[in-house]
Amino acid sequence: AQTVTQSQPEMSVQEAETVTLSCTYDTSESDYYLFWYKQPPSRQMILVIRQEAYKQQNATENRFSVNFQKAAKSFSLKISDSQLGDAAMYFCAYRSAGNQFYFGTGTSLTVIP
Amino acid sequence: GAVVSQHPSWVICKSGTSVKIECRSLDFQATTMFWYRQFPKQSLMLMATSNEGSKATYEQGVEKDKFLINHASLTLSTLTVTSAHPEDSSFYICSARGQGGTSGYNEQFFGPGTRLTVL
Repeated sequence: AQTVTQSQPEMSVQEAETVTLSCTYDTSESDYYLFWYKQPPSRQMILVIRQEAYKQQNATENRFSVNFQKAAKSFSLKISDSQLGDAAMYFCAYRSAGNQFYFGTGTSLTVIP
Repeated sequence: GAVVSQHPSWVICKSGTSVKIECRSLDFQATTMFWYRQFPKQSLMLMATSNEGSKATYEQGVEKDKFLINHASLTLSTLTVTSAHPEDSSFYICSARGQGGTSGYNEQFFGPGTRLTVL
């Protein structure tokens, strides 16, 4: 079974600064998708960014970008110009060929004003 | 984007009663719906996958007789927690996947979750 590991239970960043959240995964599949989800206190899961494994180019969405290292099975999220509204739990997720999602344990991000 | 709703958002019940949670895709047809459970400050754990018109597939360790899942239509799936006990208290989240065309990435759209408290 696929496993997703987030080694940082908690992270903090100064407002307007940049922070990187780490994620590694284990799989034997060659074709898959990777996602970062944000879960604010409301607990609604919000998609932040997605990456197809067959694409070498790193995905970007405004202030959010990823560093996808397929050989290393690493998928980190970089948040630039951090804002107070970025404070939330962030989950890294792997979507298998069977369309099942496997989530990491999450990283709680605090943004310091 | 696609919207998924859940009802109720919070339910409190007595031990031994059954509770039904509804998950609806509001503006798309969901061929597959997923049910997750999340304990405080923990990750989402997949409980089961349901495809419209067929029996749900449960993850290892999830009691299918306790957590009844019905996916009777392309827009509605229900999770019934039977004979609920305090240890079933948790946050239950559903997600739905479209038939394609909704997203080229076969993205899952998440509901807002249902908090279940069993006294």
